[in-house]
Amino acid sequence: AQSVTQLGSHVSVSEGALVLLRCNYSSSVPPYLFWYVQYPNQGLQLLLKYTSAATLVKGINGFEAEFKKSETSFHLTKPSAHMSDAAEYFCAVTPSGYSTLTFGKGTMLLVSP
Amino acid sequence: EAGVTQSPTHLIKTRGQQATLRCSPISGHTSVYWYQQALGLGLQFLLWYDEGEERNRGNFPPRFSGRQFPNYSSELNVNALELEDSALYLCASRQMNTEAFFGQGTRLTVV
Repeated sequence: AQSVTQLGSHVSVSEGALVLLRCNYSSSVPPYLFWYVQYPNQGLQLLLKYTSAATLVKGINGFEAEFKKSETSFHLTKPSAHMSDAAEYFCAVTPSGYSTLTFGKGTMLLVSP
Repeated sequence: EAGVTQSPTHLIKTRGQQATLRCSPISGHTSVYWYQQALGLGLQFLLWYDEGEERNRGNFPPRFSGRQFPNYSSELNVNALELEDSALYLCASRQMNTEAFFGQGTRLTVV
């Protein structure tokens, strides 16, 4: 079975500051990992994905994440926060390319001017 | 290319009634997933359909059921609605070895 832990239900940053959203996973087999973003009353949009290729993954809107097997982590970062980044972010894991996606509980990113 | 579409966008039902939610996947996607997003509970996996069959089911009572049609569209049925069923229901479609693409969701309100 797989699981995802997102540390911090809320993260607050100032505009222009570094964004770091934490995700740790557990999986009995090499995982596929994803970060999704959700704006209010909308569905989820894929930010980036790790599928066993490069460990540093670049996504949309300037986000990137690094897969660290030794730490079972897949933290999401962005060098400089923008007001439009305020949203809820979900980390997800699947044990293979074709199985159920398990999500973390989400982290709400708040960006102040 | 059309994305995942869900209908209706909003649904208001009375406790004890039945609700039917619909999802059309992206063309060529054979898998459909249903998730419940209730306030404060994150995304809870409900059901996974592929090629017309139920492949996996989350920890939900039997009154949550669904099906997948030959054209890969899917329906989620919730019987005997309870107040705590009020949530955003999200549908996602996927092909093997790709990410899941989500619809905009159906907001179900049980009064």
